[in-house]
Amino acid sequence: GESVGLHLPTLSVQEGDNSIINCAYSNSASDYFIWYKQESGKGPQFIIDIRSNMDKRQGQRVTVLLNKTVKHLSLQIAATQPGDSAVYFCAENQPYSGGSNYKLTFGKGTLLTVNP
Amino acid sequence: DTEVTQTPKHLVMGMTNKKSLKCEQHMGHRAMYWYKQKAKKPPELMFVYSYEKLSINESVPSRFSPECPNSSLLNLHLHALQPEDSALYLCASSWTSGRDNEQFFGPGTRLTVL
Repeated sequence: GESVGLHLPTLSVQEGDNSIINCAYSNSASDYFIWYKQESGKGPQFIIDIRSNMDKRQGQRVTVLLNKTVKHLSLQIAATQPGDSAVYFCAENQPYSGGSNYKLTFGKGTLLTVNP
Repeated sequence: DTEVTQTPKHLVMGMTNKKSLKCEQHMGHRAMYWYKQKAKKPPELMFVYSYEKLSINESVPSRFSPECPNSSLLNLHLHALQPEDSALYLCASSWTSGRDNEQFFGPGTRLTVL
């Protein structure tokens, strides 16, 4: 089946730098994507989402970019802080068995480490 | 209240035990989910309830039995588990199980099967 994946499993940055986490997807029919942050011992926390009719969406210190031509998604974190250290997952919300239900499929995850 | 709560936080059980995981939300969401997450892996969907009815079962073994008593509660009954079932079990909820629905996750129950 088609799946969502990540280019890099780990990313280490200096505090204050900008971070970019990438994700590749293969299902061209996918039209809704979500980035989650998961800190150690906690459940995934919603960061930002984007629909396929958009190329870019901004939140507080975070930006998600969607390139449908190459099926690529990225999460940019500005002025990365130690509190941003976590595993980041992209997730694809896709139809389930042709019905009205949708299923969230997660990518492998990237571990972001912010060095002080 | 914008939280999904899960109890217990930690659970250790033997292979012959029967236990239950509980999940609760008061956001008025009508879809609730169970996920299993192994260490250093992404969450994997197990079950989806939509309007208190089971709508998706991802071929989960029958030793896991979900239950949705009402729109705010979701249980996962465990019986005769195997050590490989040890994992973090996450509950989530969303307005519906349709498209464009943000899922809110609970903190999870860390399950260890001896």
